[in-house]
Amino acid sequence: DGGITQSPKYLFRKEGQNVTLSCEQNLNHDAMYWYRQDPGQGLRLIYYSQIVNDFQKGDIAEGYSVSREKKESFPLTVTSAQKNPTAFYLCASRLAGGRSNEQCFGPGTRLTVL
Amino acid sequence: AQSVTQLGSHVSVSEGALVLLRCNYSSSVPPYLFWYVQYPNQGLQLLLKYTSAATLVKGINGFEAEFKKSETSFHLTKPSAHMSDAAEYFCAVSSTGGTSYGKLTFGQGTILTVHP
Repeated sequence: DGGITQSPKYLFRKEGQNVTLSCEQNLNHDAMYWYRQDPGQGLRLIYYSQIVNDFQKGDIAEGYSVSREKKESFPLTVTSAQKNPTAFYLCASRLAGGRSNEQCFGPGTRLTVL
Repeated sequence: AQSVTQLGSHVSVSEGALVLLRCNYSSSVPPYLFWYVQYPNQGLQLLLKYTSAATLVKGINGFEAEFKKSETSFHLTKPSAHMSDAAEYFCAVSSTGGTSYGKLTFGQGTILTVHP
């Protein structure tokens, strides 16, 4: 079945450590997105990538980094510079050229900083 | 620029009652509009979408929404609530062109509670 996988589902990190969240899709989608979700704030865009080897900052990119070396993969690194990293992180993808801009979402990773 | 406002962070209904979740949007170009549902600790699932065809859009699980350009609204309704509808619902807007093409802007979400 086609879809988006995120791993791990739960992640615990000590302050000052970098951590990388995985996102893989087998939908053959061109564009991929990372969102952060906090209670009562909806989803906020961190980074997005329209094609391989290219990505753009979203609304809250500070303290995060990404790479897009393969079409299927879009890992997110939460660096020690991110002041409040505890949140639920969602990865999404979209077929470029689609009529509706519909995005498909992965199951999410909940990151907790201890 | 585009934005979404969901009126009411929490909505509570009785099982069998009408569900109405409100969404107003702002967009400088004709928009695409979406409703997503999220169950606890899960990703988002698309309920329905408006893509400039019919203004009344039917989705999964008996939900529907009506696009009203004059009111810049895209409210979500379901005639009869079921216990399994309890979840958080997000309205989102996407631009049909320009530099924001492909990006989604989300509302803050509405948590729906269904009482027996």
